[in-house]
Amino acid sequence: DGGITQSPKYLFRKEGQNVTLSCEQNLNHDAMYWYRQDPGQGLRLIYYSQIVNDFQKGDIAEGYSVSREKKESFPLTVTSAQKNPTAFYLCASSIDHGDLFYEQYFGPGTRLTVT
Amino acid sequence: AQTVTQSQPEMSVQEAETVTLSCTYDTSENNYYLFWYKQPPSRQMILVIRQEAYKQQNATENRFSVNFQKAAKSFSLKISDSQLGDTAMYFCAFIGTDKLIFGTGTRLQVFP
Repeated sequence: DGGITQSPKYLFRKEGQNVTLSCEQNLNHDAMYWYRQDPGQGLRLIYYSQIVNDFQKGDIAEGYSVSREKKESFPLTVTSAQKNPTAFYLCASSIDHGDLFYEQYFGPGTRLTVT
Repeated sequence: AQTVTQSQPEMSVQEAETVTLSCTYDTSENNYYLFWYKQPPSRQMILVIRQEAYKQQNATENRFSVNFQKAAKSFSLKISDSQLGDTAMYFCAFIGTDKLIFGTGTRLQVFP
């Protein structure tokens, strides 16, 4: 089955600890994205990557870091510098059509709780 | 700046009835895509329907159809024959040459 997997579904961490969220896709998509969703809000873009070994900051990149060593994988690290890390995190991927990112397909998400 | 506005935070509809969710957007671009995504209680975002701005014909996917008014920058979603499984948050989204921009969502409740 082709799709996007995110693990784990629920993640709990103590304040001050870095935590890495996994995102893997087997759709052969070029581009991958990380979003954050808070209650009552739409999705906000954290980072995105259009090709391997390259990525760009989104609207709310502070306190987060990413890597793109393989086409299939785009892990997100929530660092201790992120002031309000508790949220629902969604990973997505899409075919890169040049200027237009085209439609995005989403993983099931990870709910991160930091106490 | 590009924006997407969903002015209905919550909607409800009875099973088998029709409901329309509103979305307006603002952009100076001429070539772009519009989407409706569904987020059920499982929180997985599911693509419902896509509309290319250069196409005048409104997109349709089974019970889901859109009313795309380019001049008015309006992109509403009509759900016909509503089913209990349609209960979800629905997000309107826009993409041009930059990133995908989401509205704040409309929570739809389908009652038996």
